[in-house]
Amino acid sequence: ETGVTQSPTHLIKTRGQQVTLRCSSQSGHNTVSWYQQALGQGPQFIFQYYREEENGRGNFPPRFSGLQFPNYSSELNVNALELDDSALYLCASSLYRQGDGYTFGSGTRLTVV
Amino acid sequence: GDSVTQMEGPVTLSEEAFLTINCTYTATGYPSLFWYVQYPGEGLQLLLKATKADDKGSNKGFEATYRKETTSFHLEKGSVQVSDSAVYFCALPPSGGSNYKLTFGKGTLLTVNP
Repeated sequence: ETGVTQSPTHLIKTRGQQVTLRCSSQSGHNTVSWYQQALGQGPQFIFQYYREEENGRGNFPPRFSGLQFPNYSSELNVNALELDDSALYLCASSLYRQGDGYTFGSGTRLTVV
Repeated sequence: GDSVTQMEGPVTLSEEAFLTINCTYTATGYPSLFWYVQYPGEGLQLLLKATKADDKGSNKGFEATYRKETTSFHLEKGSVQVSDSAVYFCALPPSGGSNYKLTFGKGTLLTVNP
């Protein structure tokens, strides 16, 4: 079975720009969650998508938005980038409500300058 | 809300040394408990888990016992190897209802020297 694939692996953006990160979920999984991991911190939950709808959201502003597609892949969009958005963004796929079945991707390292 | 407090590193050990990484949690009820590991340049992997009080999770020589009375889930390994160098995260799973997120500690960077 394939794992979770994220792209790109690294990117650099300027403050105020917009960015789109992509995630392909593991075969057989129907739920995608996104996490932000700042340097030296644990991952923080951004939101989760199930059946192409946002299913839960952490303490992130509306400029963080997402999509899930019929093939269960997902995008994370961040508008009006700020310096504090610099972090590793992790995507995790799972089956809906299966709390111990998360498969994480290797992440996208975003640097905002 | 749910929270995890984890011993902060970094932790540097010599090969074959004994490892303990402390983890305590705050949560409603008696949740499952996880340890995740993040090797350099990789995503998080579930290392071990325990689903109820007094359960011991184990994998790859690592162990952790779910202690309800002290709300702890400390990670131990009797003899670490260079290949164990990674960041370790203690975590709570989603608690059901409207809680869909994993709650992580801040992580502990372990470096094992030959």
